[in-house]
Amino acid sequence: GQQVMQIPQYQHVQEGEDFTTYCNSSTTLSNIQWYKQRPGGHPVFLIQLVKSGEVKKQKRLTFQFGEAKKNSSLHITATQTTDVGTYFCAGNAGGTSYGKLTFGQGTILTVHP
Amino acid sequence: GAVVSQHPSRVICKSGTSVKIECRSLDFQATTMFWYRQFPKQSLMLMATSNEGSKATYEQGVEKDKFLINHASLTLSTLTVTSAHPEDSSFYICSAERGETQYFGPGTRLLVL
Repeated sequence: GQQVMQIPQYQHVQEGEDFTTYCNSSTTLSNIQWYKQRPGGHPVFLIQLVKSGEVKKQKRLTFQFGEAKKNSSLHITATQTTDVGTYFCAGNAGGTSYGKLTFGQGTILTVHP
Repeated sequence: GAVVSQHPSRVICKSGTSVKIECRSLDFQATTMFWYRQFPKQSLMLMATSNEGSKATYEQGVEKDKFLINHASLTLSTLTVTSAHPEDSSFYICSAERGETQYFGPGTRLLVL
């Protein structure tokens, strides 16, 4: 079945440093979604990427979808303590599985003030 | 908009009892809802897809007789963990589909003693 690998598992940064998490799917995706989960909380939708090579920005967050629609990345510029949490990518294979998301393992981000 | 609630938020029960968890889309109708399970520091694992008015579709390895899903209306899906055992202790999260986006509920922490 479809697998979504996400690295790194953990990332510790000093406030102000940049952060990147990478996501790779074993199969071509219809779209990829990114979520943030704060400690003790539930996943909150951040963004969805659909087009090959798509790049979207949300303030300090930059999301990219690879040309082959199998990989994606989330980059945070100048991290802040409020960025702490686990970032998950989730791939949508489309077709008969449309709507079903396969989540990556998540990257736990810790930001030291 | 796109608010999803879950009830209860926490539940402690004795081994062998059944527990029902409700997932409601508060301000939109959802033909499709999803049930996930998340163990500590792990990713979300899709358990089943709940479709209004029809039987749920379970992922491989998930026992349909143990995890009963009912999606009786466009705003409510329920997950019943039958004859719960300590290994069923986990964080159960539902999501409701609106367009191409899934909106997650706050989750239910189940502890089986």
